[in-house]
Amino acid sequence: GNSVTQMEGPVTLSEEAFLTINCTYTATGYPSLFWYVQYPGEGLQLLLKATKADDKGSNKGFEATYRKETTSFHLEKGSVQVSDSAVYFCALSRNTGGFKTIFGAGTRLFVKA
Amino acid sequence: ETGVTQTPRHLVMGMTNKKSLKCEQHLGHNAMYWYKQSAKKPLELMFVYSLEERVENNSVPSRFSPECPNSSHLFLHLHTLQPEDSALYLCASSQILASTDTQYFGPGTRLTVL
Repeated sequence: GNSVTQMEGPVTLSEEAFLTINCTYTATGYPSLFWYVQYPGEGLQLLLKATKADDKGSNKGFEATYRKETTSFHLEKGSVQVSDSAVYFCALSRNTGGFKTIFGAGTRLFVKA
Repeated sequence: ETGVTQTPRHLVMGMTNKKSLKCEQHLGHNAMYWYKQSAKKPLELMFVYSLEERVENNSVPSRFSPECPNSSHLFLHLHTLQPEDSALYLCASSQILASTDTQYFGPGTRLTVL
């Protein structure tokens, strides 16, 4: 079946620290991979995505690389800010045998000043 | 209005009530989605519409009934819900129904079933 596993939170970091949030997936076919972010009281918004193996998505200093050999899509940022505090969701979408979008459980990030 | 809007933002209902959630997208998209976000559970895709036709129904109980009268509007009709249906219901849209396409989410309706 299809699934997404991401590290449990919460993750608490100091400002300017390095961030890694791990995400691994299982899927049939060739899914697209996404990171979405949810700020308090808001819906999800796209952070970055990659649609094929070895693609790197990047946005606002965040990066993730689609690794087919390890079925991973880990999110990284070199220097976090207080404003990055939010919940981060890893997700996959595929359209083989029916459209599916599968989300991970989400990882809450707290960044302290 | 821009993006994806949802009304109401909060809803409290009894198990015997009938209510509807509304979603409107102002992006000119052709695909729309309903998700359920429960505490301590991943987002669950409930329904998918493409060009106003339902293309996916992910084993959702019949007490949830979606309706897509046009490409800009999506409704979720609720009747005889259970307390475990209390959750944040999110609507999303995308340009087309494709695995590569970004989904744009509304802020959600927080539903409480008493």
